[in-house]
Amino acid sequence: NAGVMQNPRHLVRRRGQEARLRCSPMKGHSHVYWYRQLPEEGLKFMVYLQKENIIDESGMPKERFSAEFPKEGPSILRIQQVVRGDSAAYFCASSGIRAGVRNEQFFGPGTRLTVL
Amino acid sequence: KQEVTQIPAALSVPEGENLVLNCSFTDSAIYNLQWFRQDPGKGLTSLLLIQSSQREQTSGRLNASLDKSSGRSTLYIAASQPGDSATYLCAVSLGAQKLVFGQGTRLTINP
Repeated sequence: NAGVMQNPRHLVRRRGQEARLRCSPMKGHSHVYWYRQLPEEGLKFMVYLQKENIIDESGMPKERFSAEFPKEGPSILRIQQVVRGDSAAYFCASSGIRAGVRNEQFFGPGTRLTVL
Repeated sequence: KQEVTQIPAALSVPEGENLVLNCSFTDSAIYNLQWFRQDPGKGLTSLLLIQSSQREQTSGRLNASLDKSSGRSTLYIAASQPGDSATYLCAVSLGAQKLVFGQGTRLTINP
């Protein structure tokens, strides 16, 4: 049973380009979370999605950032017109939620974005 | 607003010692609390999860306790080994949704 998969593991972009980060949740999980870890800072929640729905995007910057989790395929975190301040590690987590079952989040290895 | 604090920020101990890492949170209305381990440049590994109705969880040499009323959790590591060196993160969830993380404790076990 493969864990949470993220690709690419490392991504280098120049200022103004677009970055697309992909996340495939664990088998059987339908809930995906994105977190960002800036250099020397803790992990911060960005967005929580279920299939075809954004449930909570309270941690997403208002501009340039978007996320989706389509019916088929991985979840995508998209950053348009990247700036140097977007350089960070972006982690995806997934969970399976059923009544009476604990909501444990499992994390992927992360995508390290470097903006030149 | 939920805030999570971990003390100490860094800890260095000789191999074989037992140690305790501390985590405190400001809002006691949590759904659960998770302890993670993060190795440099790597992702997070879930160590233990404590539901809000539980007082502790154990896995091998690790024991985590939870006191919701005082907003505290501790992670106890017995007979520490150099392989335990990593950053340990505490996170709480409000509802079955997002996690709020502490800044972590960077642990070094000296052979």
